[in-house]
This record gives sequence, structure tokens and C-alpha cells, in this order.
Amino acid sequence: DIQMTQSPSSLSASVGDRVTITCRASQNIMSYLNWYQQKPGKAPNVLIYAASTLQSGVPSRFSGSGSGTDFTLTISSVQPEDFATYYCQQSHSTQYSFGQGTKVEI
Amino acid sequence: EVQLVQSGAEVKKPGESLKISCKGSGYSFASDWIVWVRQMPGKGLEWMGSIYPGGSDTKNSPSFQGQVTLSADKSISTAYLQWHSLKASDTAIYYCARLVIGARGINYLDPWGQGTLVTVSS
Repeated sequence: DIQMTQSPSSLSASVGDRVTITCRASQNIMSYLNWYQQKPGKAPNVLIYAASTLQSGVPSRFSGSGSGTDFTLTISSVQPEDFATYYCQQSHSTQYSFGQGTKVEI
Repeated sequence: EVQLVQSGAEVKKPGESLKISCKGSGYSFASDWIVWVRQMPGKGLEWMGSIYPGGSDTKNSPSFQGQVTLSADKSISTAYLQWHSLKASDTAIYYCARLVIGARGINYLDPWGQGTLVTVSS
């Protein structure tokens, strides 16, 4: 099984800050890495797929990078609506797995 | 609009059986895998298994193998997640999601259903 490890598990930020979340895979997953945002009481929504492709409708302040085992999600200037929990997910293996989540708090 | 609509919240007793549903619309339901994800209270996302409604092929997480049954009825564009004997530890929100597969094997989950809260308590 491929294990996904996110860091940090939580962070505090102010509006306008640059926020970076990292995700590490236990083996090479090439660029098969997706990022999801989940707000309280809501289902997750895809933000970025294939490590760096922005899903349609997602603001350009979100970006993703990385390949192999190390990946990053960056919010260039965090906005009030971005306070949520973020999950990475590997799709290299059909035995899908998620990171444990990163909660972005005010 | 591509949409997945899940059945409503359930309250069950330990040992009871349950089948929850996920109905797709706005796309060819039989042509795309459906994935089930568990989220226990205050916890993260766990992949449970996937089913291809067009042929009912399934892939199961070892963590959930034998605990749940995935099925689908393509004639009514609906996927199901079933338990034969619930435990208190099955209390969670269960999400279904469509697996989008693109070029070069790129794949991701979109959209997600709204989630079904299952509460198991005596």
C-alpha cells in the first residue's frame, strides 16, 4: 500500500498570508497526486489533479507542484473562504489513499 | 450538471443490516467508476472500495474487505454500499464520488455526493 503523509496537520494563518502544505508518498507516484478541499459539514472538492493542474473554477491563488514522492500545495494569498481542511490523495495505485489532512485555521 | 445524490441519514443498532445509495445524473453512469470513502467523526478520508457500474467490477480496500459489499444497478444509475451486521465503529459519514479518468491515466474524484451519515448505537 502507498502511504501518504501530510505536514503540518494544522496551521494558523492570517488573510493574505502565503500558505504551503506538503505531502509525501511512501513510493514513487509520478504525478498521480490530487488535492481536495473540505469545508466543515461539506463533501470534499477537487482543487488540483495530476499534481499541478488546476480544476476548472478553482481560483488561481491555488497551485500545486512536485513529482515522485514530494508534493506541495500553495495558497499564494489565503482568503477567508480558504479556511478548511486539505487532503492529498494518490491515484497511482487503484488502492487509493489519502493524507491525514491539514486544517488551515485563522 | 454531473451530480451524485446520496440517500439520507440512518440510525441503526449494532448487528442490523443497512444499504445506502448513490444516484448519478448528468453523465453516463455505467461508464465511470464510483468510489466510496469513509470519514469517521473528526477524522480524515479513507478509501473503502470502487465499483464499475457497467460491469460491476469491484476493487476493495483490504481494510474493508469482508466488512461491506459494493454493488450497482446501471439501469437506475445507482450504486450501493451495504453492511450485513453493523458495529458501533461503523459510525461515520460515507461519501461516494465519480472517478474521472483522463489522458495518460490521470484520475481524480469529481464530483462527490453530499455524504450519508450512518450512526450505529444501541
